[in-house]
Amino acid sequence: DQQVKQNSPSLSVQEGRISILNCDYTNSMFDYFLWYKKYPAEGPTFLISISSIKDKNEDGRFTVFLNKSAKHLSLHIVPSQPGDSAVYFCAASPSGAGSYQLTFGKGTKLSVIP
Amino acid sequence: DAGVIQSPRHEVTEMGQEVTLRCKPISGHNSLFWYRQTMMRGLELLIYFNNNVPIDDSGMPEDRFSAKMPNASFSTLKIQPSEPRDSAVYFCASRDTRGSNQPQHFGDGTRLSIL
Repeated sequence: DQQVKQNSPSLSVQEGRISILNCDYTNSMFDYFLWYKKYPAEGPTFLISISSIKDKNEDGRFTVFLNKSAKHLSLHIVPSQPGDSAVYFCAASPSGAGSYQLTFGKGTKLSVIP
Repeated sequence: DAGVIQSPRHEVTEMGQEVTLRCKPISGHNSLFWYRQTMMRGLELLIYFNNNVPIDDSGMPEDRFSAKMPNASFSTLKIQPSEPRDSAVYFCASRDTRGSNQPQHFGDGTRLSIL
């Protein structure tokens, strides 16, 4: 039973265009959401996060949107660059005592074509 | 800044052998996590330490797996005896829980192959 789902295993985007990566979750106790980026043979690197009290968080070219009623979040990368090519993981955790419990999606491999 | 450091990066051994994976968390971080990544199951939490104390080991698959954190700057994950199905990438992560909503920071992993 996957509580965090990334339904697109892969995505290809032209350089300079927008990349949109999607994530759905089922557990209504999730309160905090993160995106990690992973290059081959490296560990996941924290990219951006959002708390459930917000619906948008922006950091440079990266913006995360949260729709709590739909249990859906998305990561927008504008403009996309070849260096953004990586696997992107969505993760979620509850608040409080269980906040250490990160549940990860299986990832979306983004390829940015020059 | 030094990140989370894991060793070895790669380990190939025969089934039945003991395997020890090592992790040095980021200095000042008070929480440490061991994860396993496989194609089938993705990233799964094995065990969580807070202030060197194991808090949640419900993800440890079997008694063959054990983890220790003797001090704030070192942790080990041991598999004894190892089996081919233990082949995976094992990640260590650390976090400073003293601020709100701090992310976990991952090491580069140990790729384990059990023949």
